[in-house]
Amino acid sequence: AQSVTQLGSHVSVSEGALVLLRCNYSSSVPPYLFWYVQYPNQGLQLLLKYTSAATLVKGINGFEAEFKKSETSFHLTKPSAHMSDAAEYFCAVRLSGSARQLTFGSGTQLTVLP
Amino acid sequence: DADVTQTPRNRITKTGKRIMLECSQTKGHDRMYWYRQDPGLGLRLIYYSFDVKDINKGEISDGYSVSRQAQAKFSLSLESAIPNQTALYFCATSDPGTAGGYTFGSGTRLTVV
Repeated sequence: AQSVTQLGSHVSVSEGALVLLRCNYSSSVPPYLFWYVQYPNQGLQLLLKYTSAATLVKGINGFEAEFKKSETSFHLTKPSAHMSDAAEYFCAVRLSGSARQLTFGSGTQLTVLP
Repeated sequence: DADVTQTPRNRITKTGKRIMLECSQTKGHDRMYWYRQDPGLGLRLIYYSFDVKDINKGEISDGYSVSRQAQAKFSLSLESAIPNQTALYFCATSDPGTAGGYTFGSGTRLTVV
């Protein structure tokens, strides 16, 4: 079985501050991990993914995430928040080598304060 | 045109009515999915299809049915809509590579009154 826990349903940061969105996973086999972003009234857009290559993954819009097996974590970071980063972010996990269903976390709403 | 198109974008329907949500894709992917999104619950899988002849239930399939009319089309039906099916519904397709993510449609906002 696989599951994802996102700590913090709402996160607020000031513009220019560090963004840190937390994601922990549970998986019985090596997982593939994803971060998606959802802007208001839109579908989900892939930010980045971990697929067992480099543990530090760089994505679009300056975001990156680090896979830490010992901590079963895949936290999303961005050094300097921009107003346009305000959105909902979802972490998702899929078992490697298996049917390709994604299991999503409950989401984190990011607010960027001026 | 969008890679994954969902129709309608918004729909209000009455309790007990049958309603169909449609999804079409131009990605050429074999695998298609229906999810519903509820505040605080993330996205939950309703049904998925690996090809035209392969349909599978997800974690919350009760009250829903699907039809895979062609590789590019995957429809979701609510046979008798109820208010707790009010949600945002997403269709997605998956990359044929073993590590691919999903491509999502823009969603259908369904309200059952």
